[in-house]
Parts: sequence; structure tokens; C-alpha cells
Amino acid sequence: EAEVAQSPRYKITEKSQAVAFWCDPISGHATLYWYRQILGQGPELLVQFQDESVVDDSQLPKDRFSAERLKGVDSTLKIQPAELGDSAMYLCASSNPRRLQGVNTEAFFGQGTRLTVV
Amino acid sequence: DAKTTQPPSMDCAEGRAANLPCNHSTISGNEYVYWYRQIHSQGPQYIIHGLKNNETNEMASLIITEDRKSSTLILPHATLRDTAVYYCIVRVNYGGSQGNLIFGKGTKLSVKP
Repeated sequence: EAEVAQSPRYKITEKSQAVAFWCDPISGHATLYWYRQILGQGPELLVQFQDESVVDDSQLPKDRFSAERLKGVDSTLKIQPAELGDSAMYLCASSNPRRLQGVNTEAFFGQGTRLTVV
Repeated sequence: DAKTTQPPSMDCAEGRAANLPCNHSTISGNEYVYWYRQIHSQGPQYIIHGLKNNETNEMASLIITEDRKSSTLILPHATLRDTAVYYCIVRVNYGGSQGNLIFGKGTKLSVKP
């Protein structure tokens, strides 16, 4: 069964350092999401891509966070510099198979990257 | 902000049906009801979704009221592995693309032996 792949699974970094997360969505999915989940809370959207274009990045702290999906396939989320409050689970999800445009489809999530900033 | 309201926690006996309620009184005509669950330290797992009609799959049943202002997720025979946080989400469908999933705090379901 196709899965959303994320790496690394766990990351520990010192504050003020740069950190990057990678996501490979399910093949053929046009929509890709990055979410952040703080312990005890539900996931919150950071950025949504439709192919290579950003659809929604209103909740992305753009002074330190950046995201790209250059070829409309895999994606990278970067934090620079990391702060203690960035410690969280970062989740990637994909949906919307291009072959099924217009059909309401579910989003599939990866296992996430657990970031700890020390 | 999430457009749904769920009880923070529920208990269910193993083997019995678990009925998880959700209120979405401000749902609009082009919004679907989605259910996801999250087992500790894993990514959310899709369960089921629907627009107006009741839906059933191998995992669960979704009952949506006629006015669409509330719904119930039914796990017919809960097992210990169903212990998780269950999220009810309304999600807009624009046709060619879909809105994001706005998660609330969900319901923590504890299935007990």
C-alpha cells in the first residue's frame, strides 16, 4: 500500500541551528500539506501546496520557516533558526490524485518527524 | 478554528460498539464530514468521510443527521487497538482542489477490557 514517507523520524537540534524535514507524498497526489502538532493538541496546518504552488501559508511563521515543492512531487520544510517553542511533531500529508480531479478524496498522513529543540 | 465540537474523552468496553458524537452546526453545503484517528506517536489515520448519506466501510460507520448539523462515528466492535484520539473534521471541497483539514482537540477513546 502506498504511503507518505517522511524523514528523519526523530531530530534533536540546538536552538538557533537550522533544521530541515523531507516529505515524499503518495505518487500522483497533487496536494501536499505540512502540519505541526504540539503535544496534547490537534495538528495545525502550516502550508498547503497544489502541485508546486503554495495555496495556503497563512499560518507559516515566514520569518523562520520556509517550504518548497519545486517539481510538484516531494517537499522540504526548513526552520532557521530553530527556537525552543518549535519542539513538536511535524506531519506531512497528501491527497487529491491528479487522475481523479474534482473527486473528494481523503488525505493520507506520514508518520511525522518528532523535533526536539534543546 | 475547528468547526466541530466533540467530547474530550469517552470509555468503551472491549467488544461493544463505540459511538463517538460530533457537532458541526455551522457546516455549509460544500463541506464534507471526515473522521480521523491518531494512535499515540503516529500520524493521523483516515477512517471515513461523508456528505449527506450514511457511509460504511470496513473500519466504521458514519451516521449524519438529516440537517447535517451533527454526526456519529460508530466502531461496531471496539478492540483495545481502537484506543486513540478521534478527530471529527469538516472539510470544504472546491471541486478541483480541496481545503485543508482543520483539527480540533478530538475525543480520546479508551477501550477497556
